[in-house]
Amino acid sequence: ETGVTQTPRHLVMGMTNKKSLKCEQHLGHNAMYWYKQSAKKPLELMFVYNFKEQTENNSVPSRFSPECPNSSHLFLHLHTLQPEDSALYLCASSQGFLEETQYFGPGTRLLVL
Amino acid sequence: TQLLEQSPQFLSIQEGENLTVYCNSSSVFSSLQWYRQEPGEGPVLLVTVVTGGEVKKLKRLTFQFGDARKDSSLHITAAQPGDTGLYLCAGVRGSEKLVFGKGMKLTVNP
Repeated sequence: ETGVTQTPRHLVMGMTNKKSLKCEQHLGHNAMYWYKQSAKKPLELMFVYNFKEQTENNSVPSRFSPECPNSSHLFLHLHTLQPEDSALYLCASSQGFLEETQYFGPGTRLLVL
Repeated sequence: TQLLEQSPQFLSIQEGENLTVYCNSSSVFSSLQWYRQEPGEGPVLLVTVVTGGEVKKLKRLTFQFGDARKDSSLHITAAQPGDTGLYLCAGVRGSEKLVFGKGMKLTVNP
C-alpha cells in the first residue's frame, strides 16, 4: 500500500469501551498528526509527533491517548469516550515538522453510543 | 473567532456552471493551501500559494492569493459532477501550525 492508511474505517463503541485507531504512513515522513473533524467545525489538530516525540497536545482530554512507536506508525487509544466525541478522526503525515504539505489518510468514522 | 472564514459554506449548482469560493482572514499568512475532501476520504492537497497576488491554475481550477496574503479564492470553470466535495482552505502563519477553515461543501448536479 502507498500513502497514509487508517484502520478501522468505521467504529461504533459504547462509552465504557476501550478501542484503538491505527495509522500507518508509507511515505518516509518524519512527522505525524491526529486531527478531529466534526460537522460544522474546522479540522482540529489534536496531537503532533516529530521523530516519534510528541510535540503538541492541543488541550485534548485524557480519554484520548496517542502512541507513536516509530515514525511510520501512530495510534490513538480511546477509553470512556462521550457521544460528543463522535467524529471523523484523520491521520496525516509530513516530511518535516509542521510542514505545510500534509498527506491525509481516509479517516476513521467514530460513533460513540 | 474563526481564523479562516470560508464562503459560501454550501453550494449546489448544475453541471457547466462557474463558481468562486472565498477564504478570508484578518491575519497575514506565509502560505495558503486548498484541499478537496470527497465523501468517505481524507483531504487531498490541490495547491499551495505563497506569494501575494499569485495565481495558479490546475485544469479548470484557478487559485489566487490576495496581494496582502490575507485571503484566497478558488474559481472553478464549467463545474463537473466529479468536482463535488468539501473544499478546505488552510493557512500557515510563520512557524505556527496549519489552521483550517470550516470548508465549502460543493454539490454539482448532472
